[in-house]
Amino acid sequence: EVQLVESGGGLVQPGGSLRLSCVVSGFTVSSNYMSWVRQAPGKGLEWVSIIYSGGTTYYADSVKGRFTISRDNSKNTLYLQMNSLTGEDTAVYYCARWDARYYDYWGQGTLVTVSS
Amino acid sequence: EIVLTQSPATLSLSPGERATLSCRASQSISSYLAWYQQKPGQAPRLLIYDTSNRATGIPARFSGSGSGADFTLTISSLEPEDFAVYYCQQRRSWPQTFGQGTKVEIK
Repeated sequence: EVQLVESGGGLVQPGGSLRLSCVVSGFTVSSNYMSWVRQAPGKGLEWVSIIYSGGTTYYADSVKGRFTISRDNSKNTLYLQMNSLTGEDTAVYYCARWDARYYDYWGQGTLVTVSS
Repeated sequence: EIVLTQSPATLSLSPGERATLSCRASQSISSYLAWYQQKPGQAPRLLIYDTSNRATGIPARFSGSGSGADFTLTISSLEPEDFAVYYCQQRRSWPQTFGQGTKVEIK
């Protein structure tokens, strides 16, 4: 059975940092394209970042230079390091597998709240 | 960046009725459009990919159509479990983008 379990969310002050984790079971993270997608409260979905199986990474302009996507193959885990956080980063963050055509597996999400 | 505009924002219908949701792209995206369903407190679920292909396990009452810049998701006869928010998403160019969603609510 495929499972994606995010963790690491919480309350952080503006300018702070947080690292999200997504532990995957049922498939190999390093062999797949993996993304982070976020959803601000009451809003729609926004793609944040992707890491290809070959290791290439891409970011939305809104997070470029502040967020870093990575993975630990030995732990089959995806990460999102988030620095210089602002209120606009407040959202539920989902990890999801990108099939190159669509997102077929999603985690349950982890809430990040940026507030003083 | 390709902007996807969904309409209407809210659709109020009764079970058994037909739902027609629209997604319009700011430029042609060929057939590279997917639809997702999201219920409160849950992650999105893939319904349709590449305009008209149902994902595994998706009932036949869900269908997708369109091409170029105009797309439609149709639910032929609403079941109680279909009341949710629906998002379209394009993969024609990066960054991939989502529409703002259409909420299908019980009338």
